[in-house]
Amino acid sequence: GAGVSQTPSNKVTEKGKYVELRCDPISGHTALYWYRQSLGQGPEFLIYFQGTGAADDSGLPNDRFFAVRPEGSVSTLKIQRTERGDSAVYLCASSRSGNQNEQFFGPGTRLTVL
Amino acid sequence: GIQVEQSPPDLILQEGANSTLRCNFSDSVNNLQWFHQNPWGQLINLFYIPSGTKQNGRLSATTVATERYSLLYISSSQTTDSGVYFCAVLYGNKLVFGAGTILRVKS
Repeated sequence: GAGVSQTPSNKVTEKGKYVELRCDPISGHTALYWYRQSLGQGPEFLIYFQGTGAADDSGLPNDRFFAVRPEGSVSTLKIQRTERGDSAVYLCASSRSGNQNEQFFGPGTRLTVL
Repeated sequence: GIQVEQSPPDLILQEGANSTLRCNFSDSVNNLQWFHQNPWGQLINLFYIPSGTKQNGRLSATTVATERYSLLYISSSQTTDSGVYFCAVLYGNKLVFGAGTILRVKS
């Protein structure tokens, strides 16, 4: 079956602009996660959704970052007033339910802030 | 928070050789996953292994949760095994990743 999909695959923007990154999880998976991976490092947790609600947003670095999942399926990560330090690969993952299940990752969106 | 340490950081193998990658973690965890990140950046699931031993072809993994470590064994390595191997532990609601082991298999 289809895996986790993310769009766009690449996004180049200018400092100060607003960006939206989209994640489409595996069908039937109720849990969705966003991670960020900087060059040479492992992914770092940003936010976890169970259904429509953000169950844990403790990894969001500041209030410029926001994520939604209005219908419990597709999620959008929104970054306001982008900074050069936001440049990274943003990864989305989903799991069957809850937080005890195996997570499967999408291909990521590479964000470059000039 | 929890610390996840992987060793070695880099490994170069001749094709056909075997290797063992290690993951140590500093606290009790709910689960553990091993991933291979290919050159295009895709994280590929290798094992979901909270405890015990699993095998999948040339790969196998063992987690000893009470001693807070996991091992990934690669036998008869191939050039396509090259990439970064990550261990990640489920801590609360999130996966916490180690820094990875960069594996290069030479033909």
